[in-house]
Amino acid sequence: GIQVEQSPPDLILQEGANSTLRCNFSDSVNNLQWFHQNPWGQLINLFYIPSGTKQNGRLSATTVATERYSLLYISSSQTTDSGVYFCAVYSGGGADGLTFGKGTHLIIQP
Amino acid sequence: DGGITQSPKYLFRKEGQNVTLSCEQNLNHDAMYWYRQDPGQGLRLIYYSQIVNDFQKGDIAEGYSVSREKKESFPLTVTSAQKNPTAFYLCASSLAGGGDTQYFGPGTRLTVL
Repeated sequence: GIQVEQSPPDLILQEGANSTLRCNFSDSVNNLQWFHQNPWGQLINLFYIPSGTKQNGRLSATTVATERYSLLYISSSQTTDSGVYFCAVYSGGGADGLTFGKGTHLIIQP
Repeated sequence: DGGITQSPKYLFRKEGQNVTLSCEQNLNHDAMYWYRQDPGQGLRLIYYSQIVNDFQKGDIAEGYSVSREKKESFPLTVTSAQKNPTAFYLCASSLAGGGDTQYFGPGTRLTVL
C-alpha cells in the first residue's frame, strides 16, 4: 500500500516563528488532507489539498502531486498551534480510507 | 448543530468482555469510517461503510465488528478476540467515499484493565 512519511517528527519553536512541515507519499493520490490534533485528541481539518496551493489565515499548504509531496506552512506561530499535525492520503486503490503519516509534534513556547 | 458525536468519551473494560463504541452523524454523509490510534502513531483504518447495510474491512479489522443499519449510525464492537484493544478510537464520515473530505468525531479512549 501507499506509504506516507512526515518530517520532522518533532519541532520546538518560539512564539512568532515560522515553520514548514513536510509530507512525502509513495504513489499518486486522489485526496490529501492536513489535520491538527489538539491536546484532547480532536482531529481538526486544516486543508483538503490533493494538488495546488491553499491559504487560510496564518496557515497555507502546497501539494506538488507530480513530485509526491505536500508542505504545510505555519506563520507567526502561537501557543495554540501546539499539537500534532498529520498528513493523510487516499490513493484510490484498496480500502476506502485515509492512510496517515506518523505526524509532526509541534511545541510552541511562549 | 451538524457534526459527529462519539460516546462514551472514556471506556474501561475488563479482559474478556465485548464493548460497543457509538458513532452518530447528522451531516447526511453516506460514508463512515473507524480508525484506531496508538500512542505516538498515526491513525489506522479498522472498518468503513460506503452505504447503509454494507461495510468493508480495513487494514486492522481482526477482533472488531461493525454494523450499519442506519445512515446516521456506525457502531464499533471491540470483541474479546482483539488482543491489544487499549487505544484511542476515532470515527469519521464523508459525503461519499472515494477520497471525499473526511471529518472526525472527538474520539473514545478505551482502556482494558
